[in-house]
Amino acid sequence: GENVEQHPSTLSVQEGDSAVIKCTYSDSASNYFPWYKQELGKGPQLIIDIRSNVGEKKDQRIAVTLNKTAKHFSLHITETQPEDSAVYFCAANTDKLIFGTGTRLQVFP
Amino acid sequence: EPEVTQTPSHQVTQMGQEVILRCVPISNHLYFYWYRQILGQKVEFLVSFYNNEISEKSEIFDDQFSVERPDGSNFTLKIRSTKLEDSAMYFCASRLTGGAGNEQFFGPGTRLTVL
Repeated sequence: GENVEQHPSTLSVQEGDSAVIKCTYSDSASNYFPWYKQELGKGPQLIIDIRSNVGEKKDQRIAVTLNKTAKHFSLHITETQPEDSAVYFCAANTDKLIFGTGTRLQVFP
Repeated sequence: EPEVTQTPSHQVTQMGQEVILRCVPISNHLYFYWYRQILGQKVEFLVSFYNNEISEKSEIFDDQFSVERPDGSNFTLKIRSTKLEDSAMYFCASRLTGGAGNEQFFGPGTRLTVL
């Protein structure tokens, strides 16, 4: 069935360092890949997304890359700040979202 | 900024009882979804809803679950006879149009605790 794998499950970085989270997906029909940030007690909030006709997208400190051939996509956060600490989920699909297992990012001051 | 709202924020119920979780999607959105997240696990798709009928449902969404849009604003998830394993956060989401590439907006969730 449809599946999205996400790594790592936890990631600790020093403030100012970069963080990279990677996902792979199984359904080759997937053509939309959003990333969500979830803070404690809140619902997922979209932070960036990419469509299958694009290889890379950047929004300030956040960038996402997509390799459709390999079915990989990644989230890159540069110059991390303590407020970036949260759980990040990747997702994929055409309509309903299939979520990855999540990455708990901790940014230490 | 428009947002998806959900009530209640926390629902505690006894096993076997019926619960109704309520959502108010963004007003001009046409596609509606329910997801759930068991504590510490990933967000899982339950059901999608468009034009007053279910578009797709997952294996989790068995006969104990139902959805309804009783009026022009509310979108509800009913669990007929709750089980312990139904304890989770339930998220409602909506989007303007269907298909890929259109953001789903999530509500803050309802924490359901089944005792």
